[in-house]
Amino acid sequence: QVQLQESGPGLVRPSQTLSLTCTVSGGSISSGSYFWSWIRQHPGKGLEWIGYISHTGSTSYSPSLKSRIFMSVDTSKNQFSLRLSSVTAADTAVYYCARDMRVVGATTIDYWGQGILVTVSS
Amino acid sequence: QSALTQPASVSGSPGQWITISCTGTSSDVGKYNLVSWYQQHPGQAPKLIIYEGSIRPSGVSNRFSGSKSGNTASLTISGLQAEDEADYYCCSYTGPPWVFGGGTKVTVL
Repeated sequence: QVQLQESGPGLVRPSQTLSLTCTVSGGSISSGSYFWSWIRQHPGKGLEWIGYISHTGSTSYSPSLKSRIFMSVDTSKNQFSLRLSSVTAADTAVYYCARDMRVVGATTIDYWGQGILVTVSS
Repeated sequence: QSALTQPASVSGSPGQWITISCTGTSSDVGKYNLVSWYQQHPGQAPKLIIYEGSIRPSGVSNRFSGSKSGNTASLTISGLQAEDEADYYCCSYTGPPWVFGGGTKVTVL
């Protein structure tokens, strides 16, 4: 079974860059049937899609965050990463990495990591 | 992309059935048959319970069912149980972004 695990600092200073990595186990990140996503959840709020990256490095980002996002993938380590620049308190959230499955008859975001709380504070 | 519209809360007694609506537009829910539903218990990651509108992943109870009519998708929970008390989110593909609903808190009375 596929498992995803987020890692990175739990505290980021305002105006700095948030950097998170997701390690995938139980399956290869190089499969062409999947995209690898980041989703966040502000405290006590709903879910917000941030963007995804394929194993070849093609990306799609949320229009509202596009100017501050950079995603990358390292297939040798079965990892993908998120960088969000110029953070403010409004970026404080639980960040989830997830698998976006694109198979005919099965298109969905299916597996999620446990999430990591990132707090933006000085 | 605007968030999909869900009721903030729905409640029901054990054994009853409830329905959660998820209203979008002709650019998301109405255009694609790619609505997923997630269950989230406090402090946990969301769990996929329905995808492509009405398909249950392996291991998900058949008490959960999904449907769609026009721009509105629905999740029905039948035979409500205490363990169903959680937050539920709908999610639709919008080609390529995904958009989520604001979430519905289900309370079992």
